[in-house]
Amino acid sequence: GAGVSQSPSNKVTEKGKDVELRCDPISGHTALYWYRQSLGQGLEFLIYFQGNSAPDKSGLPSDRFSAERTGGSVSTLTIQRTQQEDSAVYLCASSLGASGGVTQYFGPGTRLTVL
Amino acid sequence: AQSVTQLGSHVSVSEGALVLLRCNYSSSVPPYLFWYVQYPNQGLQLLLKYTSAATLVKGINGFEAEFKKSETSFHLTKPSAHMSDAAEYFCAVSETGTASKLTFGTGTRLQVTL
Repeated sequence: GAGVSQSPSNKVTEKGKDVELRCDPISGHTALYWYRQSLGQGLEFLIYFQGNSAPDKSGLPSDRFSAERTGGSVSTLTIQRTQQEDSAVYLCASSLGASGGVTQYFGPGTRLTVL
Repeated sequence: AQSVTQLGSHVSVSEGALVLLRCNYSSSVPPYLFWYVQYPNQGLQLLLKYTSAATLVKGINGFEAEFKKSETSFHLTKPSAHMSDAAEYFCAVSETGTASKLTFGTGTRLQVTL
């Protein structure tokens, strides 16, 4: 079956612009996660959804970052007023449930470059 | 807070040689542990995971890992390296309970030479 898909695969933007990154999880997966992969910080958790609610937003680095999930499926990560330090690969993952030890399936990522 | 430490950011082995990638965890409770592999310009793929069943876990592509509580380790091994194993490998830990966000190590880049 289809895996996790993300769009766009690459995004180049200018400092100060807003960007939206999209994630389509595996059908039927109730949990969805956003991570960020950057040279300086490695792989870091951003936010987790269970259904449409986000019980854990502890990884969002600033109030410029927000995310939503609709219909228990697609999620959008929005970064407002982008800064150069936002340049990274943004990875989305989904899982069947969110109990400890559940396998998370990752998408290919969106590479964001802020000029 | 839970964490993982991967010793060695770069490991180079010859084709056919043993692969050993090290991971140590820090946790106050028995953790869930994962190894993921990332090929260039791709997302993460699960190799194997430990969820408190067998301490020796077998994964895909001939990899296995052993959970050693006394050493707080979860090292990844493969008896014979193949050129196609060249990639970056990440060890990760997840919290118990219902929030299973992953905390990753810094990764180990595996190079396989002829």
